[in-house]
Order: sequence, then C-alpha cells, then structure tokens
Amino acid sequence: QKEVEQNSGPLSVPEGAIASLNCTYSDRGSQSFFWYRQYSGKSPELIMFIYSNGDKEDGRFTAQLNKASQYVSLLIRDSQPSDSATYLCAVNNFNKFYFGSGTKLNVKP
Amino acid sequence: NAGVTQTPKFQVLKTGQSMTLQCAQDMNHNSMYWYRQDPGMGLRLIYYSASEGTTDKGEVPNGYNVSRLNKREFSLRLESAAPSQTSVYFCASSPLADEQYFGPGTRLTVT
Repeated sequence: QKEVEQNSGPLSVPEGAIASLNCTYSDRGSQSFFWYRQYSGKSPELIMFIYSNGDKEDGRFTAQLNKASQYVSLLIRDSQPSDSATYLCAVNNFNKFYFGSGTKLNVKP
Repeated sequence: NAGVTQTPKFQVLKTGQSMTLQCAQDMNHNSMYWYRQDPGMGLRLIYYSASEGTTDKGEVPNGYNVSRLNKREFSLRLESAAPSQTSVYFCASSPLADEQYFGPGTRLTVT
C-alpha cells in the first residue's frame, strides 16, 4: 500500500467552477500535510500546508484535513485555465516526506 | 536570491559511469532533500539531511550516496549508473522540515 494515494485524473472543470482534489494517507503518525502544484516540465511549487484538523483558507485555495479519516483535500474556487496543472499531495512523517503520484487538473475556458 | 539551484540541467550517462549532481540553496535553510520523479510515480525521497552534518536514507536510497558539504550544499552521487536510474532529480530545501522549496531539476538519462 502506498503511503499517499491520489486519483490520477484528469479532473476536468469549467472555468469559474470549484475544483476538488482529494488525497488519503496510510500512516496515522503523519504530522503535516502539503499541496504542491506542478506545471509540465517544471518543479513543484508549494500552494498550502496544514497541520491541524479542519479548514485552512488562502485566497482561492482551501485545504481540508481530517486526521480520523486520514484524508486531505484541496478546493480551488473560481478555477482559471492557469490552474491547469498536476497537484501533488505530500505528508511529512518525522522528516520523511511522501508524495502522491498527483492529480492532473484541466480547467476549460 | 537564486533560491535552490541544481547542476547540471541535463545529463546522459552510459551504464556503469559515475556522476555527482550538485545542489545549493541561499535561503539559510537547515534541511535539504533529494527526490526522483518518474512518470506516474510522483516524487520519491532518496536521501535527506535534516541539518548540516547529518544525512538519512529516504524511500529509495539504493544506488545513491549523498554529502552535505556545508549548510548551503547537498550533493547526490551515482557511483555506477544503471538504466533504472533514468529519471528527473529534484533537490529541495526547507527551513524546519516543513514546507519545501524545489530546484529546477536535473534530467538524467542512462543508456
């Protein structure tokens, strides 16, 4: 079983809609959780991190964490074509980071 | 600030050759990491260094060695390259083993 699981997609949403990206993790001891965006041929860039149960909002992005269900999600409101990328979920477990294989998001104009 | 820099950007090796990938950061971060990314596999941690003078194995360390030369630099060495090591290699740094900042990557092909 992989440490971090994501649906590979592609997830297609129309411009202006809400995109919902999901991630599950296997180790209950994981301490912190991250979302990265990666454009094709580029390096990952951090979007958000979350440590505690609940929601964390930053602009159009909201990260949600449910430790009991071992579930992390990222909501992107008012999706734009420039949001089209692969979104990577990552968890930190005592300095070791585990990444999911990513969900490809397509935002259609 | 250049952030995280990696050299070289591209490299082609023959099976059995050795090489060192260089990484440097100018953000005064304590932790540094080496990852490989293969199609459909996400990023996998090879080695990391929580602080200057320490290194630890990650998820896929076999066939690699690392050196944390000082706080700024963290190198990854392939002693005898194999085709299975064809990948994109990313270096990252982090202030306190939390959010990571990635370099531009090195595309390595082993024939």
